[in-house]
Amino acid sequence: KNQVEQSPQSLIILEGKNCTLQCNYTVSPFSNLRWYKQDTGRGPVSLTIMTFSENTKSNGRYTATLDADTKQSSLHITASQLSDSASYICVVSADTGGFKTIFGAGTRLFVKA
Amino acid sequence: GAGVSQSPRYKVAKRGQDVALRCDPISGHVSLFWYQQALGQGPEFLTYFQNEAQLDKSGLPSDRFFAERPEGSVSTLKIQRTQQEDSAVYLCASSLTAVYNEQFFGPGTRLTVL
Repeated sequence: KNQVEQSPQSLIILEGKNCTLQCNYTVSPFSNLRWYKQDTGRGPVSLTIMTFSENTKSNGRYTATLDADTKQSSLHITASQLSDSASYICVVSADTGGFKTIFGAGTRLFVKA
Repeated sequence: GAGVSQSPRYKVAKRGQDVALRCDPISGHVSLFWYQQALGQGPEFLTYFQNEAQLDKSGLPSDRFFAERPEGSVSTLKIQRTQQEDSAVYLCASSLTAVYNEQFFGPGTRLTVL
C-alpha cells in the first residue's frame, strides 16, 4: 500500500533553534517528493521538490534531503522564526502513468519566542 | 488572477442539503485538482482535470460527490445530500501543464455539516 509517514506529529522549539522533520514513504514507483508548508487556514505552499536523482535541495532556511534507497526524506529548518509555525506536509508522487500523489499527515511545528 | 481562489471560504449546511464549491484556478493552468482535508490530517486526493477532461476521479468517496470543469477553467465540486462525515476543508490546486508540475493551492472551503 502506498503510504507516507511523517514524524514527529508535532514539535515545539524556541525561536532561533534548528529542527529536522522526517518523512518515510512506501510509494512506488517513485516519481518525486515535495515538502509543503501550510499555515493555519491557508492552502499548502510548495517549499522544495526532488526527483530520484536529487538528494538535497535548499530554499532559504529550508533544506530537504532525499534517500531514495531507504525511502526517507527530511526537512531541516535553520534558525527558526516565529513565522515558521505551521504544518509541514511531505507529498510523494508515483510514476504510474496516471496521477497518484500521496500526502502525509504533516508535522505541526510551533516556534515559541 | 494572481492565485487560486475558492468560494465560499466557509459553508455551513444542514445534513441532507446539496452544496456547490467553486474553484478559480490560475489563468492558463491546464491541470486542476480537488482535495479533502480533515482536521489535523494531510489533504486526500479527490479528483483531477486536464483542461475540461476529468482524468481521475478515483478519490471521490461516494456517488454523492461530483466535479466538473466544463470550459477547462473554473471548476465546481458538488456534494449532494451532505452527511456529517463530509465536514472538512476542500482544497483546490492548479498546475501549469503536466500533472507533476508544482501545484498551487487555493485557501480552501471549510464545510461544516450540522
